[in-house]
Amino acid sequence: KNEVEQSPQNLTAQEGEFITINCSYSVGISALHWLQQHPGGGIVSLFMLSSGKKKHGRLIATINIQEKHSSLHITASHPRDSAVYICAGGGADGLTFGKGTHLIIQP
Amino acid sequence: GAGVSQSPSNKVTEKGKDVELRCDPISGHTALYWYRQRLGQGLEFLIYFQGNSAPDKSGLPSDRFSAERTGESVSTLTIQRTQQEDSAVYLCASSSRGDRVWETQYFGPGTRLLVL
Repeated sequence: KNEVEQSPQNLTAQEGEFITINCSYSVGISALHWLQQHPGGGIVSLFMLSSGKKKHGRLIATINIQEKHSSLHITASHPRDSAVYICAGGGADGLTFGKGTHLIIQP
Repeated sequence: GAGVSQSPSNKVTEKGKDVELRCDPISGHTALYWYRQRLGQGLEFLIYFQGNSAPDKSGLPSDRFSAERTGESVSTLTIQRTQQEDSAVYLCASSSRGDRVWETQYFGPGTRLLVL
């Protein structure tokens, strides 16, 4: 059974800080997805990656296949980045989800 | 275009009653997924439909749970004889080709179910 572990569970930071959320995953996962769940509940896909690094605006996702580890970074964080960030691993049985990181950015 | 829609947004029911939750996927998407999210927990896979193939029901927690999909459109998740532990947000997602590893899934807003 595939497993995905995220850390930290909760993170509170000040506006402008650089944010890092970590995700470790098990053998059998080929692709790593990062999702954002807004306070209202809607889930949006941010990135899918299997190697290297992807960037979209202030969001950067990296993956190290050998170490089975991925990170999501937010530069120049803003209160509107407050959300739950979810790491999900794609394998033969579909997506396995982490429990999420609850991020609060204070003004 | 329109995203994934779900109804109802919220449902409060009494223990032992049956409930039906509906999902309208993005038009043209062949794959449809149901997930459950209990308070403070990660998303749990329930069931996956892909085109005319037999659905993957491996995530359904008990025989009280069932789901149907009409062609490549609407899906209904039914929970019979609801229990308090069924209280959760039920999320539906769709994707265009049904690649469960690589493809982006588009999520609906969810149905919040509370069983009293």
